Amino acid sequence: DARVTQTPRHKVTEMGQEVTMRCQPILGHNTVFWYRQTMMQGLELLAYFRNRAPLDDSGMPKDRFSAEMPDATLATLKIQPSEPRDSAVYFCASGLGTGGSKNIQYFGAGTRLSVL
Amino acid sequence: AQSVTQLGSHVSVSEGALVLLRCNYSSSVPPYLFWYVQYPNQGLQLLLKYTTGATLVKGINGFEAEFKKSETSFHLTKPSAHMSDAAEYFCAVSLYSNSGYALNFGKGTSLLVTP
Repeated sequence: DARVTQTPRHKVTEMGQEVTMRCQPILGHNTVFWYRQTMMQGLELLAYFRNRAPLDDSGMPKDRFSAEMPDATLATLKIQPSEPRDSAVYFCASGLGTGGSKNIQYFGAGTRLSVL
Repeated sequence: AQSVTQLGSHVSVSEGALVLLRCNYSSSVPPYLFWYVQYPNQGLQLLLKYTTGATLVKGINGFEAEFKKSETSFHLTKPSAHMSDAAEYFCAVSLYSNSGYALNFGKGTSLLVTP
């Protein structure tokens, strides 16, 4: 059963600490997306990659957030330093990255981040 | 830019009643539209999608949606609600740029099903 795997599922940290969230996309998918979900803003696109190259990270605060794909099986989202306003659920999704009927994103279960 | 608006952040229906969740889109080009469902503490799961062709789209769990270009709508329906349908539902439109595709989600509608 192919699925997107995110770790950790929950993270509690103190303000100022570095946070790293990991995502393993579905094997064979060439696009990876990072979203943030909060009660106030809903689902926001932070960044996305195709074939490991960042295509759009305009939704991401550049001063503290960074996203990378070290290889095709791993995507990371880092926050340094973390702030209480970063508390949210962070979702990773993967897909085939083409239009039409193949433009479907498959979501992981998310990382729930709490910054105290 | 493509966007969607979901009317009603909370919808409550009785078990067995019709479910209607509203979504209107804004797009300067023919849109690709999606409905996703999110159960508590889980990620989003695709319910159905419209890309081209038949405007009435059937999805999983008995849901369907109809693309109406004249009304710029893509409302989600189910004839008879089950308790297990209680969840958050998101309408989304595909954003295309020179770099590829992403999704722009609505704010979500929380569906409550009462006995």
